Amino acid sequence: GNSVTQMEGPVTLSEEAFLTINCTYTATGYPSLFWYVQYPGEGLQLLLKATKADDKGSNKGFEATYRKETTSFHLEKGSVQVSDSAVYFCALANSGGYQKVTFGTGTKLQVIP
Amino acid sequence: SAVISQKPSRDICQRGTSLTIQCQVDSQVTMMFWYRQQPGQSLTLIATANQGSEATYESGFVIDKFPISRPNLTFSTLTVSNMSPEDSSIYLCSYTGQEYMNTEAFFGQGTRLTVV
Repeated sequence: GNSVTQMEGPVTLSEEAFLTINCTYTATGYPSLFWYVQYPGEGLQLLLKATKADDKGSNKGFEATYRKETTSFHLEKGSVQVSDSAVYFCALANSGGYQKVTFGTGTKLQVIP
Repeated sequence: SAVISQKPSRDICQRGTSLTIQCQVDSQVTMMFWYRQQPGQSLTLIATANQGSEATYESGFVIDKFPISRPNLTFSTLTVSNMSPEDSSIYLCSYTGQEYMNTEAFFGQGTRLTVV
């Protein structure tokens, strides 16, 4: 079955530091990959996605590249802000309509001024 | 994308009682999903709800505990029955698209349930 493994948190960084959150996956076929973000007290929202190998998803300064050879989808940001403090979930879904999403355990990021 | 509204947004319930969570989507969607997020944990899929058929439950979840209704293509309910403190979680409804390569999931704001 599908599974997602992401780095344990919490991660604490100073403002303007570089962020990497590692994510690897196991899946059959060619899944789509996602990063979701959950800000304190809010619901889950899509941060970025990639649907095929070598695609790069990007949004709000965050990037992740779909690496089929290493089955990875690491999240990066060059300069984090306090407002980026949230829980980040790596996730995947198989191709084909109406697929359920498999989530990683989540990584809590705290950015301090 | 369709907008998902969930209610209640939060509730505090007595053990042994039941709570029904409603999920309304502002356009028709074929498949809806119900997830649970226990405190400090990731999201776990409870069941998949397709209009006009019984919900499909994941391992560890049963219909008697989490009955689901899906009366039409824009609405679903999840009931948490005979609650215990272990049921304290955030419950989220979701849908995904029908496109082959665009399986992004959209979520409601969630229902934060505390059982005392």
